[in-house]
Amino acid sequence: EAEVAQSPRYKITEKSQAVAFWCDPISGHATLYWYRQILGQGPELLVQFQDESVVDDSQLPKDRFSAERLKGVDSTLKIQPAELGDSAMYLCASSFPESYEQYFGPGTRLTVT
Amino acid sequence: AQSVTQPDIHITVSEGASLELRCNYSYGATPYLFWYVQSPGQGLQLLLKYFSGDTLVQGIKGFEAEFKRSQSSFNLRKPSVHWSDAAEYFCAWYGNKLVFGAGTILRVKS
Repeated sequence: EAEVAQSPRYKITEKSQAVAFWCDPISGHATLYWYRQILGQGPELLVQFQDESVVDDSQLPKDRFSAERLKGVDSTLKIQPAELGDSAMYLCASSFPESYEQYFGPGTRLTVT
Repeated sequence: AQSVTQPDIHITVSEGASLELRCNYSYGATPYLFWYVQSPGQGLQLLLKYFSGDTLVQGIKGFEAEFKRSQSSFNLRKPSVHWSDAAEYFCAWYGNKLVFGAGTILRVKS
């Protein structure tokens, strides 16, 4: 069964350092999502791509976060500089266009010290 | 603002007992509703979804959920819980994006 791949699974970084996460969606899924899940809360959408275009990044803290999906397949989410409050699980999901069913990857657990 | 409420942060049930996890949403039109499960350190797995039609929907792993418009609820049920069901469960609503509740942690005691 096809799955969404994410790496790394765990990342520890110091405050003010740069960090990047990678996501490879299910083949054929043109829509890709990045979510942030703070401990004890549900996931919150950070950014949504349709192919290589950003559809929604209204909740992305653009002063320090950036996301790209240059060839419309895999995607990278970057944080620079990382802050203590960025400690969270970062989840990637993908779906077919116009589908409400999203498939989630295993996530990257970020700890900022 | 549209929101999803899961009133119970933690629930503990005995193995073999029945389970009901509550979910309420705040939106007037018929929503698209989902239940996801998350095991520790893992991503989310879709259990079931409701878009329209029959208000009782069946999902994977023996779960079902009932949509009640009059109560703005979409509660998740399972007749007999297994120890492997211990996880965190999220209700979600799709408007122009997926909005999640805060989750309910299910503990199963043997």
